[in-house]
Amino acid sequence: EPEVTQTPSHQVTQMGQEVILRCVPISNHLYFYWYRQILGQKVEFLVSFYNNEISEKSEIFDDQFSVERPDGSNFTLKIRSTKLEDSAMYFCASRGTGNNSPLHFGNGTRLTVT
Amino acid sequence: GEDVEQSLFLSVREGDSSVINCTYTDSSSTYLYWYKQEPGAGLQLLTYIFSNMDMKQDQRLTVLLNKKDKHLSLRIADTQTGDSAIYFCAEKRDSSASKIIFGSGTRLSIRP
Repeated sequence: EPEVTQTPSHQVTQMGQEVILRCVPISNHLYFYWYRQILGQKVEFLVSFYNNEISEKSEIFDDQFSVERPDGSNFTLKIRSTKLEDSAMYFCASRGTGNNSPLHFGNGTRLTVT
Repeated sequence: GEDVEQSLFLSVREGDSSVINCTYTDSSSTYLYWYKQEPGAGLQLLTYIFSNMDMKQDQRLTVLLNKKDKHLSLRIADTQTGDSAIYFCAEKRDSSASKIIFGSGTRLSIRP
């Protein structure tokens, strides 16, 4: 069964550094998402992306965050200048067309900011 | 409001049925989902139900939806140790073209 894959599985970075989290969505999917889960807390929506542009974003997704689909297969989340509170598990998801198409999630990237 | 509510913990004996409950607030919700998260892993889609359905059964899983009360439940029959995980309820609202909103998750533990 096709999967959403994320790399790396764990990223450690120093405060103030830039990080790029990478995702390869399922190949025929057209809607892409990033969610995050701070340890022990809810899974929070960050951003959705369709047709090469952001379709929806949350209050968390401020100017420090950006997303890109640099080629036909990758979908990236960049955090420009990481803060301690950015430490979380970041999940990428994708879905196909059709209103009832569910989100399929990757295994996540654990980001630790020191 | 935004909240999707779940109780945080549930403990059941192996072989018994588990019932995990969820309440949501938005009457425009169109699809409701159950995801499973095992330790250190991603979010695995278990099942989902459209808002015009009352029930959906898939092997050991039964989803019940009470749209009037905005209440969703997941019943796992014959609970096994491999069912130990956090279970997230999530809703997709008609008002949003894309995102789904998650509950806080229910940690299911199985006792022998």
